[in-house]
Amino acid sequence: DIQMTQSPSSLSASVGDRVTITCRASQSISSYLNWYQQKPGKAPKLLIYAASSLQSGVPSRFSGSGSGTDFTLTISSLQPEDFATYYCQQSYSTPPAFGPGTKVDIK
Amino acid sequence: QVQLVQSGAEVKKPGASVKVSCKASGYTFTSYGISWVRQAPGQGLEWMGWISAYNGNTNYAQKLQGRVTMTTDTSTSTAYMELRSLRSDDTAVYYCARDSTTVTTFFDYWGQGTLVTVSS
Repeated sequence: DIQMTQSPSSLSASVGDRVTITCRASQSISSYLNWYQQKPGKAPKLLIYAASSLQSGVPSRFSGSGSGTDFTLTISSLQPEDFATYYCQQSYSTPPAFGPGTKVDIK
Repeated sequence: QVQLVQSGAEVKKPGASVKVSCKASGYTFTSYGISWVRQAPGQGLEWMGWISAYNGNTNYAQKLQGRVTMTTDTSTSTAYMELRSLRSDDTAVYYCARDSTTVTTFFDYWGQGTLVTVSS
C-alpha cells in the first residue's frame, strides 16, 4: 500500500500570510493527488484534484502543484475561513490513502 | 444541487452490527460510485471501501474484509454500509462520499456524517 505523509503536522499563521503544506507519497503516484479541507464537526471538502486542478467553487487563493512523490498545497493569502485541517489523498492505487493532516490555526 | 444525506447517529454494543444509509440526490446515481470514509474521534480519515452504483462492484479495505458490506438501491438512489462484529475502536464518524463509477478517485461531495458509538 502507498503511504502518505504531510508536513508540518500543524502550523500557526496570520490572516494574509502565504501558507504552504507539503505531502509526500511513499512511491510515485504521478499526479493522482487530491487535497481536502476539514473544519471541526464538518465533512471534508474537496479543494484540489489531480494535483493542480481547482475544484469548482473553491477560491483561487488555493493552488496545488507537484508530481511523482512530492506535492504542495499553497494558500496565497490566508483568510479567517481557511483555519482548518488539510488532508492530502492519493488516488493512484487502492487503497486511496489519506495523509495524517495539517492543522492550520491562528497565530 | 448534489446532496448526500446520511442516517442518524447510532449507539451499539460490542459484537453488534450497524447499517448506515446515504441517500443521494441532484445527480444520476448510477453514473457514479460511493466511497465510505470513517474518522475516529480526534483522528484522521480512513477509507473503508467503494461501491459502483452502476454495477454494484465493490472494493473493501483489507482490514475490514469480512466485516463490511456495501450495497446500493438504485430505485431510491441510496447507498448502504453495514459493519458487523463491532468493537470499541469502530467508534467513529462515518461518511459517504461521491466517487467514480469505475475506480476510486477523488471525493467531490460528502454526506454530513453519521456518528457510530460502540460501547457496552
